Amino acid sequence: AQKVTQAQTEISVVEKEDVTLDCVYETRDTTYYLFWYKQPPSGELVFLIRRNSFDEQNEISGRYSWNFQKSTSSFNFTITASQVVDSAVYFCALSEGGRRGNMLTFGGGTRLMVKP
Amino acid sequence: SAVISQKPSRDICQRGTSLTIQCQVDSQVTMMFWYRQQPGQSLTLIATANQGSEATYESGFVIDKFPISRPNLTFSTLTVSNMSPEDSSIYLCSVETGAGGLTDTQYFGPGTRLTVL
Repeated sequence: AQKVTQAQTEISVVEKEDVTLDCVYETRDTTYYLFWYKQPPSGELVFLIRRNSFDEQNEISGRYSWNFQKSTSSFNFTITASQVVDSAVYFCALSEGGRRGNMLTFGGGTRLMVKP
Repeated sequence: SAVISQKPSRDICQRGTSLTIQCQVDSQVTMMFWYRQQPGQSLTLIATANQGSEATYESGFVIDKFPISRPNLTFSTLTVSNMSPEDSSIYLCSVETGAGGLTDTQYFGPGTRLTVL
């Protein structure tokens, strides 16, 4: 069975600090996708990134970057120079596809608080 | 991506009553999903809804409690029946854009925040 673990339940940083959110996953499949979603206080779930299991290249998008390492089954998310608007709950998710579409298994989430 | 709306955005209901949540998408999609997010918790999949077939429920969720309709490719409803305070949660629908392959991404609606007294 697939599983996603976000060990950090809550992180607090001061604005402009860099912060890394950890995500460790378990799956028996060789083909899978990993996702990060952001949930601001409004409650809506915002898609940030999708990564497939065959592409271990790190990705950077503005202040956001992702480090995918199959050897450690990790897909970590770093925010550089954090801002107050980054305050949200961040979810890592795994999809193995196939059965009934791409059912997502979510981690427990990490609440990030960025203080001014 | 897809533009997804949900109605109502929030509601306060009495125990024993039922609430139907609507999910509307601005384009035709094959797969729609319903998730529950209990207070302070992560998201849990309730069921997968394909147009023209019965919804498929995950372990711990049953059709009598959470009946789902999927009358066409842009719309779905989830009913929370005979509600109790334990049903207080955010209910989110999501859709997959594309042909239903592994490369698709799920996009989420804004959620319905339900409080049961």
